[in-house]
Amino acid sequence: GESVGLHLPTLSVQEGDNSIINCAYSNSASDYFIWYKQESGKGPQFIIDIRSNMDKRQGQRVTVLLNKTVKHLSLQIAATQPGDSAVYFCAGNYNQGGKLIFGQGTELSVKP
Amino acid sequence: SAVISQKPSRDICQRGTSLTIQCQVDSQVTMMFWYRQQPGQSLTLIATANQGSEATYESGFVIDKFPISRPNLTFSTLTVSNMSPEDSSIYLCSARVAGNEKLFFGSGTQLSVL
Repeated sequence: GESVGLHLPTLSVQEGDNSIINCAYSNSASDYFIWYKQESGKGPQFIIDIRSNMDKRQGQRVTVLLNKTVKHLSLQIAATQPGDSAVYFCAGNYNQGGKLIFGQGTELSVKP
Repeated sequence: SAVISQKPSRDICQRGTSLTIQCQVDSQVTMMFWYRQQPGQSLTLIATANQGSEATYESGFVIDKFPISRPNLTFSTLTVSNMSPEDSSIYLCSARVAGNEKLFFGSGTQLSVL
């Protein structure tokens, strides 16, 4: 079956450092991936997305890297701030369809 | 972007009862979905809400337990039927709007079943 999974359940970083959150997926037919941030008591909030015809995409302080060969994507957050503390989920579409399948989530804690 | 309003935001229910969650989107919607997020876990897709027809359920979810309606493009309801404590979760409505691949989420309904 399809799955999108994360390597680490928790990540603790010092304020100002860079954060890297990793994610693996199993469905070769997925052609769209997205990262969400979820703060306590809120719904997931879009961070950045990438299509499979790209291997890198940059946003404001965030970069997503996609390695289709090993079915891996990562989210890099530059100069991590306390406000970045949240759970981060990767998600991929299933067989190029409309629905998204979510990974397990990584809880990012930023130490001041 | 899209604003998704979901209500109630939370509820505490007795086992054996049912709860209907409403979801309203402020934009032109192409697809709507319902997810469940159990405590400390990721999001699991329950079903795709189809306008004017029966929802498409994922493996492990059935219409008798989670009936879904979508009478028009921008509104959907999810009912959690005959609830048990195992149904205690956050239920999230999501939607994809025209011209945008992103999936937007409501704030969720925190359900506790006693």
